[in-house]
Amino acid sequence: GENVEQHPSTLSVQEGDSAVIKCTYSDSASNYFPWYKQELGKGPQLIIDIRSNVGEKKDQRIAVTLNKTAKHFSLHITETQPEDSAVYFCAASITPGTYKYIFGTGTRLKVLA
Amino acid sequence: NAGVTQTPKFRILKIGQSMTLQCTQDMNHNYMYWYRQDPGMGLKLIYYSVGAGITDKGEVPNGYNVSRSTTEDFPLRLELAAPSQTSVYFCASTPRGDTGELFFGEGSRLTVL
Repeated sequence: GENVEQHPSTLSVQEGDSAVIKCTYSDSASNYFPWYKQELGKGPQLIIDIRSNVGEKKDQRIAVTLNKTAKHFSLHITETQPEDSAVYFCAASITPGTYKYIFGTGTRLKVLA
Repeated sequence: NAGVTQTPKFRILKIGQSMTLQCTQDMNHNYMYWYRQDPGMGLKLIYYSVGAGITDKGEVPNGYNVSRSTTEDFPLRLELAAPSQTSVYFCASTPRGDTGELFFGEGSRLTVL
């Protein structure tokens, strides 16, 4: 079955710097890759997603890139702010046909003021 | 709009006790999921449902049971609680199970002593 690896497990950056979180997946049939942000004491929330027919997607300070050949996808956060501090999860899914997301193990991002 | 509501938020159980974690959503979503979150392990799918009367196992179903008698409710039953079931449990729903955004509840923290 699908396996998603996520690195690093923790990441500290200075406010204003960029942060990059990387994930790899094992099942070449996976074609949908969302990223979720989890703030302390809350459930995860979707922040951005990408489908396999697109190589890059941006939403203000957040971008996601996908390399299907290498089975890698990455989250890029520019101009980091203290409110970006949270745990970030990547996930992979095969669509249509399955209803299950496989999540990575999470990255705890700390933005230092 | 309440979204996904989980109860209780915290619970301590003794080994061998049973309990039900409640989950209800008011968004008329067909698909619902139960995940458990352990430190450094990400989110693991326990059970999911694609509609009333339909449930299926996820990655880690042992020791749990679910039912889906209505679109709104998806309770998770723990029988004969064990310390290995100490975790934070999240219920989620989506209008579409293949590429839809997952809407998470705020979690239920369960400790088995």
